[in-house]
Amino acid sequence: AQSVTQPDIHITVSEGASLELRCNYSYGATPYLFWYVQSPGQGLQLLLKYFSGDTLVQGIKGFEAEFKRSQSSFNLRKPSVHWSDAAEYFCAVGTMDSSYKLIFGSGTRLLVRP
Amino acid sequence: NAGVTQTPKFRILKIGQSMTLQCTQDMNHNYMYWYRQDPGMGLKLIYYSVGAGITDKGEVPNGYNVSRSTTEDFPLRLELAAPSQTSVYFCASTQGRGLSGNTIYFGEGSWLTVV
Repeated sequence: AQSVTQPDIHITVSEGASLELRCNYSYGATPYLFWYVQSPGQGLQLLLKYFSGDTLVQGIKGFEAEFKRSQSSFNLRKPSVHWSDAAEYFCAVGTMDSSYKLIFGSGTRLLVRP
Repeated sequence: NAGVTQTPKFRILKIGQSMTLQCTQDMNHNYMYWYRQDPGMGLKLIYYSVGAGITDKGEVPNGYNVSRSTTEDFPLRLELAAPSQTSVYFCASTQGRGLSGNTIYFGEGSWLTVV
């Protein structure tokens, strides 16, 4: 069955420190992969996406993610975290069938220490 | 440039009441979706539609109904509201999978409380 796992429920980092949020997926083929961010009380904003090609993808707000097929992972990174990055982050896989659904992980809440 | 618009943004319902969450998109997208998000959880798919007149169940369809009479609109109906339906509801849309893949765009969410 298709699934997305985000093993870290909460992560706390100091402002200016680097960040890596983990995402592992289970899917029969190379999926479409996404990272979304959700600020409190807000909707979801797309950070970046991977469909094919270069396995290192750049997104908005200085985020990047690397697709590693051998590890079934799509981890999100940022070299220097800002206080405004505090939010909930969701990894998602887009199915390749005709329905083209998004399957979400349970999310990782990022807290930023001043 | 409205994108995906959901109404209402907030609603309190009594147990057993009915209501419809409205969703409309102005991007001429074929695919539309309804998700719910419970506290501390990811999004679960309720229903989806791949085009006008075509709908199908997602992961958690019980207690909900949908219709898709036009490309633009995809309303979600709760017939007999239950406390378990207290959640945040998100509507989303996309043109479709395509060869290069297409981004799924989300509305701002509808906060529903059933008391």
